[in-house]
Amino acid sequence: EPEVTQTPSHQVTQMGQEVILRCVPISNHLYFYWYRQILGQKVEFLVSFYNNEISEKSEIFDDQFSVERPDGSNFTLKIRSTKLEDSAMYFCASSNRAGNQPQHFGDGTRLSIL
Amino acid sequence: QQPVQSPQAVILREGEDAVINCSSSKALYSVHWYRQKHGEAPVFLMILLKGGEQKGHDKISASFNEKKQQSSLYLTASQLSYSGTYFCGTDDSGSARQLTFGSGTQLTVLP
Repeated sequence: EPEVTQTPSHQVTQMGQEVILRCVPISNHLYFYWYRQILGQKVEFLVSFYNNEISEKSEIFDDQFSVERPDGSNFTLKIRSTKLEDSAMYFCASSNRAGNQPQHFGDGTRLSIL
Repeated sequence: QQPVQSPQAVILREGEDAVINCSSSKALYSVHWYRQKHGEAPVFLMILLKGGEQKGHDKISASFNEKKQQSSLYLTASQLSYSGTYFCGTDDSGSARQLTFGSGTQLTVLP
């Protein structure tokens, strides 16, 4: 069964540094999402992306964050200047349509900011 | 505004039933249910659309009362593999491009 893959599985970064999290969505999917989950807490929506542009974003997704689809397969989340509170598990998800279609999650990248 | 899930945690014996509730203060277009095991990604269970009741896999089903903005997940004859945290994600825009998740219900099934 096709799956969403994320790399790296764990990223350790110094505060203030830039970090790029990578995702390969399921190949025929058109909608892409980033979520984060702080340890022990709920999953929080960050951003959705369709047709090479952001379609929705939450208040968490401020100017420090950006997303990009640099080629036909990758979908990246960049955090420009990381803060301690950015430490979390970041999940990428994809769906082949919005609305009544499930979002398939990757295994996540655990981001630790020191 | 995030949906409210209840209970926060439930412990069952194998074979027992459980109900997990999800309610919102907003009018909803759909409710998405996921299960997450410790240290793993959320796994999709089912989507409930306006006016629909959908049966998922195994003995897990759900209902959606759009007038009350509530959804319930029913786990029948629970198995050990049902253990995990169950999240509901709600869509109040109709596009489902921004799901808002509840805080989760931690389900533990004991032998």
